[in-house]
Amino acid sequence: QKEVEQNSGPLSVPEGAIASLNCTYSDRVSQSFFWYRQYSGKSPELIMSIYSNGDKEDGRFTAQLNKASQYVSLLIRDSQPSDSATYLCAVNRGTGRRALTFGSGTRLQVQP
Amino acid sequence: DTAVSQTPKYLVTQMGNDKSIKCEQNLGHDTMYWYKQDSKKFLKIMFSYNNKELIINETVPNRFSPKSPDKAHLNLHINSLELGDSAVYFCASSQGGNINYGYTFGSGTRLTVV
Repeated sequence: QKEVEQNSGPLSVPEGAIASLNCTYSDRVSQSFFWYRQYSGKSPELIMSIYSNGDKEDGRFTAQLNKASQYVSLLIRDSQPSDSATYLCAVNRGTGRRALTFGSGTRLQVQP
Repeated sequence: DTAVSQTPKYLVTQMGNDKSIKCEQNLGHDTMYWYKQDSKKFLKIMFSYNNKELIINETVPNRFSPKSPDKAHLNLHINSLELGDSAVYFCASSQGGNINYGYTFGSGTRLTVV
């Protein structure tokens, strides 16, 4: 089992729709969770972080965390073509490990 | 001002050569990382330094040798390059070793070994 799993996609949604990106993780002691966006040929940029169960909203983005199910998701409302990118889920596994573990990313395509 | 800068941005070299990649951050962070991103976009940790001390050394061939002369710089030297080393290498930094704030990434170095 991979430490952080994401569906590679592509996930295709029409402009204006809600895009839902999912991530599961294997280590129960994981403490903090991040979503990065990576455009083709560019470096990952942090868009959301979440540490507690529940929802966290920032503009059109909502991160959701369920530690009991070891599941974290990212919702993008009113999707725009400029949201087309690969979205990487990253986890701080805690237990003294001082580096983030990344999933392999989900490619999102927003169709105009 | 670029927060985390890497040089070079592109590197094309022949098998068997030795090459170095440099990274510098001006964020005042004291922890820096090297990640390798393969063609499937998977980002894998290679090394991490906290205040010039090596704290993470993943299962990486010993042809790869990191060096941190000070907390603002982290370099990666690769000996005897192989085709499988072709990837994008990202440097990143975090604040005070507390990765709960996430990382700031450099722009990456695309290494192509021919």
